[in-house]
Amino acid sequence: GQQLNQSPQSMFIQEGEDVSMNCTSSSIFNTWLWYKQDPGEGPVLLIALYKAGELTSNGRLTAQFGITRKDSFLNISASIPSDVGIYFCAGQGGGSTLGRLYFGRGTQLTVWP
Amino acid sequence: DGGITQSPKYLFRKEGQNVTLSCEQNLNHDAMYWYRQDPGQGLRLIYYSQIVNDFQKGDIAEGYSVSREKKESFPLTVTSAQKNPTAFYLCASSIAGGLAKNIQYFGAGTRLSVL
Repeated sequence: GQQLNQSPQSMFIQEGEDVSMNCTSSSIFNTWLWYKQDPGEGPVLLIALYKAGELTSNGRLTAQFGITRKDSFLNISASIPSDVGIYFCAGQGGGSTLGRLYFGRGTQLTVWP
Repeated sequence: DGGITQSPKYLFRKEGQNVTLSCEQNLNHDAMYWYRQDPGQGLRLIYYSQIVNDFQKGDIAEGYSVSREKKESFPLTVTSAQKNPTAFYLCASSIAGGLAKNIQYFGAGTRLSVL
């Protein structure tokens, strides 16, 4: 199955710093989703993007759907300790794969107080 | 409480044994999914079901089986044919499988280990 290229693989930052991570694909997607996973738990949806160029915020989180429809990024501003976790991007295509999600490998975020 | 319930949280399998992971949802979702997660990996799709009494193989279905007899339930059996079953298993559901803007919601996962 298709896998998205997500980077960086891990980040170690100090509380208060901003964070940026991105995801690229060789295929065009119609939807980009960003999830966060706490240790030992299931992923929780943070932001959903449905249109090329769309920029959406959720509190300190901002995500954008790339113009080419092959990439997306997630920014976290003024990080806090509870931001620790794994962040996954997921893309949804069209045609016969409509409804299926393809996931990146995740970005492990560590925040030092 | 509306949501997706996976049980058990931890499960141990002996050599040659089949084990079944439970997934129940009360969100009235038509579509349900099973994913496998290994350290440093994304989520890999095992099986999915878009409607009751129908399911399709995902990318890594070998050694697994599923059933979908009820809308709210989608159990996953890890058979003895799965030689490397140790992983974190996640169940998800969505309103309908074949739609655009189809958000998937996840359960809390089951961690399976081999004794």
